[in-house]
Amino acid sequence: DADVTQTPRNRITKTGKRIMLECSQTKGHDRMYWYRQDPGLGLRLIYYSFDVKDINKGEISDGYSVSRQAQAKFSLSLESAIPNQTALYFCATSEGRGDETQYFGPGTRLLVL
Amino acid sequence: GESVGLHLPTLSVQEGDNSIINCAYSNSASDYFIWYKQESGKGPQFIIDIRSNMDKRQGQRVTVLLNKTVKHLSLQIAATQPGDSAVYFCAENLGGNNRLAFGKGNQVVVIP
Repeated sequence: DADVTQTPRNRITKTGKRIMLECSQTKGHDRMYWYRQDPGLGLRLIYYSFDVKDINKGEISDGYSVSRQAQAKFSLSLESAIPNQTALYFCATSEGRGDETQYFGPGTRLLVL
Repeated sequence: GESVGLHLPTLSVQEGDNSIINCAYSNSASDYFIWYKQESGKGPQFIIDIRSNMDKRQGQRVTVLLNKTVKHLSLQIAATQPGDSAVYFCAENLGGNNRLAFGKGNQVVVIP
């Protein structure tokens, strides 16, 4: 969905490096989410934010941090990357206010060596 | 994106036939359900949704059925086309905080 963009689309990094994945949206939604997807495990929630001042941990937040710089921007950081953080990462947005549908970006494929 | 489909149940369907994809959800209090389609190399794409006060909802070539008694959701795709080849997964809204729980997905392969 072009309304939700993620950069970079692919990233290779080494163990111990700090990296940031960025998400931008033009949908005007207040709510933003970061997920990771692993083969056979489905989508798992890392962090979510319901507005600029709100940050919440998801089910697998250890090793990650986030920043909600503006309504349209939500970035995910890996402070010290490790190989088991190799995965597909997706950003999503939703309007809230009774509309729970989440709209996803195209994903970032991360490989940690 | 190919790796998303590894280890998933796979449904092979002939082009033109109907497809049925099933999902068992976990929380009897869930009040909203969504089906997503994920093509290789892309993010999940919304297909259709249904609220718990309904048991059937139709879209273009797709129908979602909800059976709350057995906590079961299904997606029916009519006249399946090659472009329908993808991973399909369901999501349930766990409550009022707008958090979704996602199923692991089913791979659909359309045979021309």
